Amino acid sequence: RKEVEQDPGPFNVPEGATVAFNCTYSNSASQSFFWYRQDCRKEPKLLMSVYSSGNEDGRFTAQLNRASQYISLLIRDSKLSDSATYLCVVILYSGGYQKVTFGTGTKLQVIP
Amino acid sequence: DGGITQSPKYLFRKEGQNVTLSCEQNLNHDAMYWYRQDPGQGLRLIYYSQIVNDFQKGDIAEGYSVSREKKESFPLTVTSAQKNPTAFYLCASTGELLGNEQFFGPGTRLTVL
Repeated sequence: RKEVEQDPGPFNVPEGATVAFNCTYSNSASQSFFWYRQDCRKEPKLLMSVYSSGNEDGRFTAQLNRASQYISLLIRDSKLSDSATYLCVVILYSGGYQKVTFGTGTKLQVIP
Repeated sequence: DGGITQSPKYLFRKEGQNVTLSCEQNLNHDAMYWYRQDPGQGLRLIYYSQIVNDFQKGDIAEGYSVSREKKESFPLTVTSAQKNPTAFYLCASTGELLGNEQFFGPGTRLTVL
């Protein structure tokens, strides 16, 4: 089983739609979680951190389910500008080092 | 403005040549990372450094080497031993060991001719 798994998509959704992505992780000791956005041929940029209590930033909501070992990202009222690849990141701290694992990304295409 | 710079943006090299990719940050971050990304794939960790004069191999270190002589600099050398070096290389840094997100440079696209 991969350490971090994402559905690669693509997710093709109309403008205004709500779309959700999930990301599962295999190591229950993982401690920090993030969602990044990557535009084509660009570097990833932090979208939001993911907290156990869930967190919201405008149209974006991130949640962590430790029992089932997944994180999710919900995008409401999709805009054309939301089209990108969304990467989940899971961090495990052990022996003074941090192991950072990226998912392969989920591609979102918002259609007019 | 604080940030991470990578140079060059595009790099072409002939087979059998070593090439060094630059990564500089003025964020005063302790930890720095090198990743490789291939088309349609996620980021794979090559090397990382948590402190000056210390670095650790990532998942795909073979054919690569790094140095960390200064806090702000973490150059990556792609050696001729790397059999498939054509890829997008990304450098990142974090400010604290626990919990902080990674900030990325704009990347270097390496093509082997």
